[in-house]
Amino acid sequence: QKEVEQDPGPLSVPEGAIVSLNCTYSNSAFQYFMWYRQYSRKGPELLMYTYSSGNKEDGRFTAQVDKSSKYISLFIRDSQPSDSATYLCAMRTSNTGNQFYFGTGTSLTVIP
Amino acid sequence: DTAVSQTPKYLVTQMGNDKSIKCEQNLGHDTMYWYKQDSKKFLKIMFSYNNKELIINETVPNRFSPKSPDKAHLNLHINSLELGDSAVYFCASSPRPADTQYFGPGTRLTVL
Repeated sequence: QKEVEQDPGPLSVPEGAIVSLNCTYSNSAFQYFMWYRQYSRKGPELLMYTYSSGNKEDGRFTAQVDKSSKYISLFIRDSQPSDSATYLCAMRTSNTGNQFYFGTGTSLTVIP
Repeated sequence: DTAVSQTPKYLVTQMGNDKSIKCEQNLGHDTMYWYKQDSKKFLKIMFSYNNKELIINETVPNRFSPKSPDKAHLNLHINSLELGDSAVYFCASSPRPADTQYFGPGTRLTVL
């Protein structure tokens, strides 16, 4: 079993829709959770960075962490065609010597 | 003003050849990484250096040898290239180990 599971999609939504992207994980020691956006043929760029449980909002993006269920989500409100990309979740434990574990990414297309 | 840059962007080569990929960051970060992203978009860490010292060395064939001449550079040399080495290789940097990572644009390696 992989450390982090993510539905690869593809996910296709109309412009303006609310998008929900999710990851599950197996290691209860994970404390730091990230979402990256990766456009085609580009490097991943950090969208959201959260610590432990709870919600974090940044513009149209909301990251949610439920440590009891080992489940994290990224919500995109009022989705735009420019949001079309692959979204990768990543997480790590509090041990700074440890690496980040990435999900396989969910491919999202927002149709105008 | 590129933060993390990689050269070359594309690399097409024959099996058995030796090749190098270079990475430079101008962010003043202490830590640098090499990741491999396969055709299914799975991002897997290969190596991490902090202040020119190797701190993460995942299970990678010893045909892959990283070199960090200084904090701003982390190069990856690959000997005796194999078909399975075909992937996109990303360099990344962070202020400190396990801190937020900033990715380069990637090097798309194709081994024929």
